Amino acid sequence: DSGVTQTPKHLITATGQRVTLRCSPRSGDLSVYWYQQSLDQGLQFLIQYYNGEERAKGNILERFSAQQFPDLHSELNLSSLELGDSALYFCASSLPSEDTQYFGPGTRLTVL
Amino acid sequence: GQNIDQPTEMTATEGAIVQINCTYQTSGFNGLFWYQQHAGEAPTFLSYNVLDGLEEKGRFSSFLSRSKGYSYLLLKELQMKDSASYLCAVSSPGGSQGNLIFGKGTKLSVKP
Repeated sequence: DSGVTQTPKHLITATGQRVTLRCSPRSGDLSVYWYQQSLDQGLQFLIQYYNGEERAKGNILERFSAQQFPDLHSELNLSSLELGDSALYFCASSLPSEDTQYFGPGTRLTVL
Repeated sequence: GQNIDQPTEMTATEGAIVQINCTYQTSGFNGLFWYQQHAGEAPTFLSYNVLDGLEEKGRFSSFLSRSKGYSYLLLKELQMKDSASYLCAVSSPGGSQGNLIFGKGTKLSVKP
């Protein structure tokens, strides 16, 4: 158990819908990272937040957005969902002074 | 550009030793990570190399040569539970990928 929590564990929805994935980082970690992993694909970096501010942005679609709240939990919003958005979505967190990222268990999103 | 290469798949026998190689070309370098990821699960941290040389941690060892842009993960006394993907990642802060640049992973199959 890494100490990073994600909800929900599974999510099944239809095309065109909007969903919100939630992540709580480990105690003391200020950075939160979001990744997408499609079937048999590598980890694709989406976005990073540090203490409430956006720090880095990867290949994140305009239909996707994220934020980090004052209590440091983060939410990833996915809208106008398409079949191709079906994937595992991981959240990771790290301490301010370290590069090691600890991953949550992931949310498996299925778009039908 | 940023590039991390590792073999796509490897097969080894239970009880044997296997070496998974990783080569990298990145604009910055703060260290190199290895993660283990079982299918459908979160990546878990295995090792972190900052300086050249070998780091040993139980059955797992990781080697780094910064001048050659090369690392390997050595797994000894292989067990069936070691069947997983092994991800090489380079810490390259300031880039667009949220500090860690991941390779696509090496899928290791351990056979009896």
